[in-house]
Parts: sequence; structure tokens; C-alpha cells
Amino acid sequence: DGGITQSPKYLFRKEGQNVTLSCEQNLNHDAMYWYRQDPGQGLRLIYYSQIVNDFQKGDIAEGYSVSREKKESFPLTVTSAQKNPTAFYLCASSIMVTVETEAFFGQGTRLTVV
Amino acid sequence: GENVEQHPSTLSVQEGDSAVIKCTYSDSASNYFPWYKQELGKRPQLIIDIRSNVGEKKDQRIAVTLNKTAKHFSLHITETQPEDSAVYFCAASKSFIIQGAQKLVFGQGTRLTINP
Repeated sequence: DGGITQSPKYLFRKEGQNVTLSCEQNLNHDAMYWYRQDPGQGLRLIYYSQIVNDFQKGDIAEGYSVSREKKESFPLTVTSAQKNPTAFYLCASSIMVTVETEAFFGQGTRLTVV
Repeated sequence: GENVEQHPSTLSVQEGDSAVIKCTYSDSASNYFPWYKQELGKRPQLIIDIRSNVGEKKDQRIAVTLNKTAKHFSLHITETQPEDSAVYFCAASKSFIIQGAQKLVFGQGTRLTINP
């Protein structure tokens, strides 16, 4: 079953703790993305990666970090430096070509800071 | 950078009527405009997209129009059905020929409710 999988679906974190969200895809896509979704604000880009061992900051990268050690995996770490981490996080992937194509999304992880 | 504004934020229509959602973008170099539908508790999924060399595209009850001069594009849903109820997002991106990865910028979303 091909697709993009995020885990866990729900995550609770204590203030001051780092937490890592998992994103795995078996679509053989080169590009992967992390978005944050808040009510009334659409989807905002945190980080994106177009190739293994390379990634770029999006519009709201502060307080987040990523790695891309494997083509299939693009984990996101929400650090204690992120002031307001409670949100819904969506991972996506797309074929890396010079012509734009559909971005496929995971089912999301809802992070709550307690 | 690119900025995408989407209106309205909520829209309620009677079943069978049409619904229109509008978006404007700021970067004239943007050349790809997808629309995503997100049902409650589910992931966003592409429903239709348009590229800047086309003014209109239609897929059954869904159509998208693009006005490059005015930098706005719209989603039209005709003969609405209860299953059309969802949050709809527009987005814009441009090619990064060297980098190759598209950078989608999303609108704020429109919550569409179809009343039976």
C-alpha cells in the first residue's frame, strides 16, 4: 500500500521537552515537506527537502529542526525553543521535477503541549 | 515572498446551489495553482489544479479559473452535494528550476457547508 505515513497521530509533550514527529513515504518521491496547520491560518511551511542530506527552511522554521538521512524519511523535531508548538502537523511529498506536481499529504500529527 | 489570500473563510450554501471560493496571490512568477480539499479529520487531497498557461480547467462539477493579470484564481463547485462539505485550500507555487522542489504557499482555507 503506497503512501505517506505520519506517526503518532496524537502526541503530548511537556513544556521544555523536545519531541520528534515521524514521516515516512514509499512513493519514491524526492521532495518532502513539513507544514503546520492552525485554525484560520491555512498551512504554513516549516521545512522542505529535495534530496537526501539537504533541506531548506520554510516560512516558520524557528524552533524546529529536521533531518533527511534517507529518501523515505523526513522526521521533524519540535524543540523547546518553539514558543507555541501546539498545532496540527502535516508532512507531504512530491516528485522532484521542474514541473509542479501534486503534493501527497500524510494523515497528520496533532501535538499538544501540556 | 509569495502571499496567498483566500475568501471567504466560511461559506454555507443550499444543496444543489453553486459555491465559489476566491484566492489572490502576490508573486507574478507563480505558475501553478492547486486546490486541496480536507474533510474533517482527514488529510488534504488535491481536487484540481491549473497552470499559468491555461485560463480555465474543468473536472465534472468542479472548475478553476485563473486571471494572471489580476493575480487571482477561483474554485467553482456546481450542483453541490453534502459530501462537498469540507475545508478547501488554494495554493500557489513557482518553479525552482535549479532546486527542483516546489514551494507551495497556501491560503487560509474556506470551510464550506452544504445544507440539505
